[in-house]
Amino acid sequence: DAKTTQPNSMESNEEEPVHLPCNHSTISGTDYIHWYRQLPSQGPEYVIHGLTSNVNNRMASLAIAEDRKSSTLILHRATLRDAAVYYCILREAPFSFGNEKLTFGTGTRLTIIP
Amino acid sequence: SAVISQKPSRDICQRGTSLTIQCQVDSQVTMMFWYRQQPGQSLTLIATANQGSEATYESGFVIDKFPISRPNLTFSTLTVSNMSPEDSSIYLCSVEGAGGNTEAFFGQGTRLTVV
Repeated sequence: DAKTTQPNSMESNEEEPVHLPCNHSTISGTDYIHWYRQLPSQGPEYVIHGLTSNVNNRMASLAIAEDRKSSTLILHRATLRDAAVYYCILREAPFSFGNEKLTFGTGTRLTIIP
Repeated sequence: SAVISQKPSRDICQRGTSLTIQCQVDSQVTMMFWYRQQPGQSLTLIATANQGSEATYESGFVIDKFPISRPNLTFSTLTVSNMSPEDSSIYLCSVEGAGGNTEAFFGQGTRLTVV
């Protein structure tokens, strides 16, 4: 799996937008960009994923650079419940046998300030 | 979606003993994954478990230390054998979503402390 680079930690004020960056300069054309987060004392949970175009869902938005060498997870209005470790992960398509596993990096620990 | 139940949620064990962790999924899945998360660290894949075949272990993990069973499409166990304090970690079970969904689902984890 291609590697990703994320800041170790970030802080944000409650009710403000949060932009979590991820660098993946060695991404291949078939790699999808996935984001997971791990709340305290819980297993990781899926947040969002994309290939080339920006993506939105109920949890977050994913902005992907035109060259795909970086991406940004956007939480539009952070709450205290968004405090977690956020992982940016590259996964090879088409998720055939052997490609299903996730390789976790160190992630970004997001602290929300009340 | 998939709901995963792991048992036990936590345990404190004596060194030299073994602990078997159970993972139950509410739907049939082809592949199940076992991860380890050492204190303050990220997740590391231990092995991939397919029903009807031997588990595939990642580099640094061996079957004698972490035997895995996969008797059917909804259940798996991971045993941590001959435990030492270095095995103190959170162990997590994971599965892929059904129907081509690319989302992975995780159990709440088993927090193991070896004394």
